[in-house]
Amino acid sequence: DAGITQSPRHKVTETGTPVTLRCHQTENHRYMYWYRQDPGHGLRLIHYSYGVKDTDKGEVSDGYSVSRSKTEDFLLTLESATSSQTSVYFCAISEVVSGNTIYFGEGSWLTVV
Amino acid sequence: GENVGLHLPTLSVQEGDNSIINCAYSNSASDYFIWYKQESGKGPQFIIDIRSNMDKRQGQRVTVLLNKTVKHLSLQIAATQPGDSAVYFCAENTSGTYKYIFGTGTRLKVLA
Repeated sequence: DAGITQSPRHKVTETGTPVTLRCHQTENHRYMYWYRQDPGHGLRLIHYSYGVKDTDKGEVSDGYSVSRSKTEDFLLTLESATSSQTSVYFCAISEVVSGNTIYFGEGSWLTVV
Repeated sequence: GENVGLHLPTLSVQEGDNSIINCAYSNSASDYFIWYKQESGKGPQFIIDIRSNMDKRQGQRVTVLLNKTVKHLSLQIAATQPGDSAVYFCAENTSGTYKYIFGTGTRLKVLA
């Protein structure tokens, strides 16, 4: 299994509160991603990073921010959680930008009440 | 764990039979494809990949077929086992882009 650790694995939070999800990798891969998975949708990209302090938006980035201060850590922050952000969040990593497998973490289940 | 994909198409297969799971991909420019397996409450797990310069690739008990003419991908699992029960989905990617497009998946149920 790829060395990807997500924390927390499960969280229930209230609307309007900030939430940070952490992804830690031990593979030294350059590229890191945050996806969300919802019923009826394939995995959708929130943000990705192509290096330390280098990040860019994905297709569903509204309401989310990210930071990458070290190669191994990629943080996803919901500044003010909403019920529409109830989802399963997956971190992923890859060695190169394309044409190569991306490996996923075990997921973080977030419920916003 | 939460069960994502509650209304997925389901394929029920008898234990020991072969399974074929299909995927129609969307972008004719896609040149790299991956099949993932996702068990309930877990993250997607890489099964096998294929590039567009190939029509077929085999792994351990799995074979992926690619038909670029009709933009179709299939995953064949030989001698299906109870441990194969999961959601399977495909992903496509175009060289030089970070974007991977993921299918919604098919649920495979293995009947004893």
